[in-house]
Amino acid sequence: KAGVTQTPRYLIKTRGQQVTLSCSPISGHRSVSWYQQTPGQGLQFLFEYFSETQRNKGNFPGRFSGRQFSNSRSEMNVSTLELGDSALYLCASASGTGNYEQYFGPGTRLTVT
Amino acid sequence: EDQVTQSPEALRLQEGESSSLNCSYTVSGLRGLFWYRQDPGKGPEFLFTLYSAGEEKEKERLKATLTKKESFLHITAPKPEDSATYLCAVSSGGSYIPTFGRGTSLIVHP
Repeated sequence: KAGVTQTPRYLIKTRGQQVTLSCSPISGHRSVSWYQQTPGQGLQFLFEYFSETQRNKGNFPGRFSGRQFSNSRSEMNVSTLELGDSALYLCASASGTGNYEQYFGPGTRLTVT
Repeated sequence: EDQVTQSPEALRLQEGESSSLNCSYTVSGLRGLFWYRQDPGKGPEFLFTLYSAGEEKEKERLKATLTKKESFLHITAPKPEDSATYLCAVSSGGSYIPTFGRGTSLIVHP
C-alpha cells in the first residue's frame, strides 16, 4: 500500500509571495491534516479536512488555507509569505473515523528569504 | 486543553545501554496515545497506539506502556540506528486531533 506523498519536497520563496503544497493520502483514507514543524515550536496543527470539508482548525492566521478534493488529495496555500513561515510542512493521513492513527508524509521544506 | 510533556529533551546512550523515555499527559477523556519516531528532515513514522491504562505494545527493541497519567517508551539494548527523535501525542474526547509533545532526541553511540 502506497504511503503519503507530498510535493514538492523543497521550496524556496521570497517574502510576499504565495505557495501551494500538495498531499496525496493513503488510499482509502478520507482525513488529511496539515502541520507546521519548526525547531522552536515543534509540531503545530494547521487544519484537518475530511470528505472535502474543513473539520478542524488550529490557531494560524487566515494566510494559511487549504482544500480537499473528491479523491481526498489536499492542497495547502500560504499567501503573503513571511520569514517566519520557513518550516517543514507535514501532511498526515488518517481514516478519519474510530481511532486517530495518523500516517505522515515526508514533508515539504519551505524556506522564505 | 490537552497537554503533553516529554522528558528528557535529549538522551545520549551507549549501544546496549537500555533506558526509558517519558510522556506525561493531561487530557479530558483519552482516545489514544501515540508514539512516533522522526529522523532528521523526514516525516514522523508511526510506532504504536495505546488506548487504556495497563496496555503494552512491543516492536523490536521498543516497548510502550501506558498509565493514567503517563506513557513510557522503553528501549532495550539500543543500536545506533535507533537514534532519532521520539514524539508522543494524545487524542482526546474533547478534540480527537492529536496534540504532540516536543519530543525526545535520542542519540545512541556505538
